[in-house]
Amino acid sequence: DTGVSQDPRHKITKRGQNVTFRCDPISEHNRLYWYRQTLGQGPEFLTYFQNEAQLEKSRLLSDRFSAERPKGSFSTLEIQRTEQGDSAMYLCASSRHVNTQYFGPGTRLTVL
Amino acid sequence: DQQVKQNSPSLSVQEGRISILNCDYTNSMFDYFLWYKKYPAEGPTFLISISSIKDKNEDGRFTVFLNKSAKHLSLHIVPSQPGDSAVYFCAASSNTGNQFYFGTGTSLTVIP
Repeated sequence: DTGVSQDPRHKITKRGQNVTFRCDPISEHNRLYWYRQTLGQGPEFLTYFQNEAQLEKSRLLSDRFSAERPKGSFSTLEIQRTEQGDSAMYLCASSRHVNTQYFGPGTRLTVL
Repeated sequence: DQQVKQNSPSLSVQEGRISILNCDYTNSMFDYFLWYKKYPAEGPTFLISISSIKDKNEDGRFTVFLNKSAKHLSLHIVPSQPGDSAVYFCAASSNTGNQFYFGTGTSLTVIP
Protein backbone atom coordinates (compact mmCIF):
# COMPACT_ATOMS: atom_id res chain seq x y z
CA ASP A 1 0.00 0.00 0.00
CA THR A 2 1.30 3.42 -0.92
CA GLY A 3 -0.88 5.17 1.62
CA VAL A 4 -3.52 7.85 1.29
CA SER A 5 -2.30 10.90 -0.59
CA GLN A 6 -3.74 14.39 -0.62
CA ASP A 7 -3.06 17.31 -2.91
CA PRO A 8 -2.20 20.08 -2.37
CA ARG A 9 -0.58 19.91 1.05
CA HIS A 10 -1.04 23.62 1.57
CA LYS A 11 -3.42 26.12 0.03
CA ILE A 12 -3.61 29.85 0.66
CA THR A 13 -6.55 31.64 -0.87
CA LYS A 14 -8.41 34.88 -0.59
CA ARG A 15 -11.86 35.09 0.88
CA GLY A 16 -14.53 34.47 -1.70
CA GLN A 17 -12.41 32.22 -3.92
CA ASN A 18 -13.23 28.59 -4.66
CA VAL A 19 -10.80 25.82 -3.75
CA THR A 20 -10.68 22.13 -4.61
CA PHE A 21 -8.76 19.40 -2.80
CA ARG A 22 -7.99 15.92 -4.05
CA CYS A 23 -7.67 12.66 -2.14
CA ASP A 24 -6.29 9.41 -3.52
CA PRO A 25 -7.20 6.55 -1.18
CA ILE A 26 -5.35 3.31 -0.70
CA SER A 27 -6.04 1.04 -3.66
CA GLU A 28 -9.14 -1.15 -3.25
CA HIS A 29 -10.40 0.79 -0.25
CA ASN A 30 -14.08 1.25 -0.89
CA ARG A 31 -14.68 3.52 2.11
CA LEU A 32 -13.57 7.15 1.94
CA TYR A 33 -14.06 9.89 4.51
CA TRP A 34 -13.43 13.62 4.65
CA TYR A 35 -12.78 15.42 7.91
CA ARG A 36 -11.90 18.94 8.99
CA GLN A 37 -9.62 19.65 11.93
CA THR A 38 -8.95 22.94 13.67
CA LEU A 39 -6.38 23.70 16.32
CA GLY A 40 -6.99 21.92 19.59
CA GLN A 41 -9.87 19.86 18.25
CA GLY A 42 -10.26 16.34 16.98
CA PRO A 43 -11.14 15.61 13.36
CA GLU A 44 -14.71 16.63 12.57
CA PHE A 45 -16.59 14.39 10.16
CA LEU A 46 -17.68 16.01 6.90
CA THR A 47 -18.78 13.26 4.54
CA TYR A 48 -18.49 9.57 3.71
CA PHE A 49 -18.40 7.63 0.43
CA GLN A 50 -18.82 3.93 -0.12
CA ASN A 51 -17.43 3.39 -3.60
CA GLU A 52 -18.92 6.25 -5.63
CA ALA A 53 -22.02 6.71 -3.46
CA GLN A 54 -22.05 9.54 -0.94
CA LEU A 55 -23.85 7.86 1.95
CA GLU A 56 -23.41 10.35 4.74
CA LYS A 57 -23.02 14.11 5.06
CA SER A 58 -22.55 16.09 8.21
CA ARG A 59 -25.40 18.45 8.90
CA LEU A 60 -22.71 20.96 9.74
CA LEU A 61 -21.62 20.91 6.10
CA SER A 62 -22.90 24.06 4.46
CA ASP A 63 -24.06 24.19 0.86
CA ARG A 64 -20.74 25.81 -0.04
CA PHE A 65 -19.09 22.41 0.43
CA SER A 66 -19.42 19.63 -2.11
CA ALA A 67 -17.60 16.34 -2.51
CA GLU A 68 -17.42 13.79 -5.28
CA ARG A 69 -15.95 10.38 -5.88
CA PRO A 70 -16.87 9.87 -9.53
CA LYS A 71 -15.44 6.43 -10.21
CA GLY A 72 -15.15 5.14 -6.71
CA SER A 73 -11.42 5.85 -6.64
CA PHE A 74 -10.11 9.38 -5.96
CA SER A 75 -12.30 12.02 -4.36
CA THR A 76 -12.47 15.81 -4.50
CA LEU A 77 -13.71 18.28 -1.93
CA GLU A 78 -14.67 21.72 -3.18
CA ILE A 79 -15.35 24.78 -1.07
CA GLN A 80 -17.05 27.65 -2.84
CA ARG A 81 -16.87 31.28 -1.75
CA THR A 82 -14.36 30.53 0.98
CA GLU A 83 -14.64 32.30 4.33
CA GLN A 84 -11.99 32.86 6.97
CA GLY A 85 -13.76 30.33 9.18
CA ASP A 86 -12.97 27.65 6.58
CA SER A 87 -9.28 27.84 7.51
CA ALA A 88 -8.44 24.38 8.83
CA MET A 89 -6.71 21.12 8.05
CA TYR A 90 -8.78 18.97 5.69
CA LEU A 91 -8.14 15.27 6.15
CA CYS A 92 -9.07 12.33 3.99
CA ALA A 93 -9.18 8.73 5.22
CA SER A 94 -9.90 5.42 3.54
CA SER A 95 -10.54 1.86 4.63
CA ARG A 96 -11.87 -1.55 3.61
CA HIS A 97 -13.36 -2.38 6.94
CA VAL A 98 -15.36 -0.42 9.46
CA ASN A 99 -12.89 -0.99 12.29
CA THR A 100 -9.93 0.78 10.68
CA GLN A 101 -9.21 4.03 8.88
CA TYR A 102 -6.02 5.27 7.30
CA PHE A 103 -5.51 8.99 7.05
CA GLY A 104 -3.65 11.05 4.51
CA PRO A 105 -1.31 13.89 5.49
CA GLY A 106 -4.03 16.51 5.08
CA THR A 107 -4.42 19.76 3.18
CA ARG A 108 -3.92 22.89 5.23
CA LEU A 109 -6.19 25.67 4.02
CA THR A 110 -5.59 29.30 4.93
CA VAL A 111 -8.21 31.83 3.89
CA LEU A 112 -6.98 35.42 4.00
CA ASP B 1 -22.88 18.02 21.14
CA GLN B 2 -19.64 16.20 21.92
CA GLN B 3 -20.46 12.50 21.78
CA VAL B 4 -16.88 11.43 22.42
CA LYS B 5 -14.90 13.11 25.18
CA GLN B 6 -11.31 13.03 26.25
CA ASN B 7 -11.26 14.98 29.47
CA SER B 8 -7.51 15.04 30.00
CA PRO B 9 -5.85 17.47 27.57
CA SER B 10 -2.38 16.32 28.56
CA LEU B 11 -0.50 13.53 30.33
CA SER B 12 3.16 13.14 31.29
CA VAL B 13 4.69 9.75 32.02
CA GLN B 14 8.19 8.52 32.74
CA GLU B 15 9.81 6.30 30.15
CA GLY B 16 9.19 2.64 30.90
CA ARG B 17 6.04 3.28 32.93
CA ILE B 18 2.45 2.74 31.86
CA SER B 19 0.49 5.43 30.03
CA ILE B 20 -3.29 5.32 30.44
CA LEU B 21 -5.41 7.47 28.17
CA ASN B 22 -9.12 7.71 28.79
CA CYS B 23 -12.15 8.30 26.61
CA ASP B 24 -15.86 8.57 27.42
CA TYR B 25 -18.80 8.47 25.06
CA THR B 26 -22.50 9.18 25.32
CA ASN B 27 -24.10 7.27 22.44
CA SER B 28 -25.06 3.70 23.31
CA MET B 29 -25.34 2.91 19.58
CA PHE B 30 -21.59 3.10 19.11
CA ASP B 31 -20.15 -0.28 18.12
CA TYR B 32 -16.61 0.45 17.00
CA PHE B 33 -13.95 2.37 18.84
CA LEU B 34 -10.60 3.39 17.39
CA TRP B 35 -7.45 4.99 18.77
CA TYR B 36 -5.13 7.18 16.75
CA LYS B 37 -1.79 8.82 17.34
CA LYS B 38 -0.97 12.14 15.71
CA TYR B 39 2.32 13.94 15.30
CA PRO B 40 2.38 17.64 14.33
CA ALA B 41 1.87 18.34 10.62
CA GLU B 42 0.88 14.74 9.92
CA GLY B 43 -2.41 12.93 9.56
CA PRO B 44 -3.55 10.66 12.41
CA THR B 45 -2.06 7.17 12.46
CA PHE B 46 -4.33 4.25 13.30
CA LEU B 47 -3.20 2.35 16.41
CA ILE B 48 -5.80 -0.13 17.58
CA SER B 49 -9.53 -0.70 17.61
CA ILE B 50 -12.14 -2.63 19.55
CA SER B 51 -15.69 -3.64 18.81
CA SER B 52 -18.49 -3.60 21.33
CA ILE B 53 -18.60 -7.39 21.57
CA LYS B 54 -15.19 -7.37 23.24
CA ASP B 55 -13.92 -5.78 26.40
CA LYS B 56 -10.21 -5.95 25.61
CA ASN B 57 -7.97 -5.91 22.57
CA GLU B 58 -4.21 -6.10 22.64
CA ASP B 59 -1.55 -5.35 20.05
CA GLY B 60 2.02 -5.32 21.25
CA ARG B 61 2.52 -2.53 23.75
CA PHE B 62 -1.00 -1.21 23.18
CA THR B 63 -4.12 -2.52 24.91
CA VAL B 64 -7.59 -1.02 24.67
CA PHE B 65 -10.22 -1.73 27.32
CA LEU B 66 -13.92 -1.14 26.80
CA ASN B 67 -16.48 -0.79 29.58
CA LYS B 68 -19.83 -0.56 27.83
CA SER B 69 -21.89 -0.08 30.96
CA ALA B 70 -19.80 2.93 31.90
CA LYS B 71 -19.47 4.08 28.27
CA HIS B 72 -15.75 4.32 28.86
CA LEU B 73 -12.66 3.10 27.07
CA SER B 74 -9.00 3.41 27.80
CA LEU B 75 -5.74 2.90 25.96
CA HIS B 76 -2.83 1.45 27.89
CA ILE B 77 0.70 1.78 26.58
CA VAL B 78 3.32 -0.25 28.36
CA PRO B 79 6.19 0.29 28.52
CA SER B 80 5.98 3.90 27.40
CA GLN B 81 8.73 5.15 25.11
CA PRO B 82 9.79 8.70 24.20
CA GLY B 83 8.63 8.05 20.62
CA ASP B 84 5.11 7.63 21.97
CA SER B 85 4.97 11.35 22.68
CA ALA B 86 2.12 12.59 20.47
CA VAL B 87 -1.55 13.56 20.60
CA TYR B 88 -3.88 10.58 20.98
CA PHE B 89 -7.44 10.62 19.71
CA CYS B 90 -10.23 8.17 20.34
CA ALA B 91 -13.05 7.81 17.83
CA ALA B 92 -16.35 5.95 17.76
CA SER B 93 -18.89 4.80 15.21
CA SER B 94 -22.08 2.81 14.92
CA ASN B 95 -21.95 -0.58 13.19
CA THR B 96 -22.37 1.01 9.76
CA GLY B 97 -19.11 2.91 10.05
CA ASN B 98 -20.66 5.71 8.02
CA GLN B 99 -19.64 8.43 10.46
CA PHE B 100 -16.94 8.61 13.08
CA TYR B 101 -16.93 10.92 16.08
CA PHE B 102 -13.58 11.98 17.52
CA GLY B 103 -12.58 13.24 20.92
CA THR B 104 -10.50 16.39 21.35
CA GLY B 105 -7.31 14.48 22.02
CA THR B 106 -4.82 13.94 24.85
CA SER B 107 -1.26 15.12 24.44
CA LEU B 108 1.08 12.47 25.84
CA THR B 109 4.63 13.33 26.81
CA VAL B 110 6.96 10.48 27.70
CA ILE B 111 9.90 11.78 29.69
CA PRO B 112 13.21 9.98 29.13
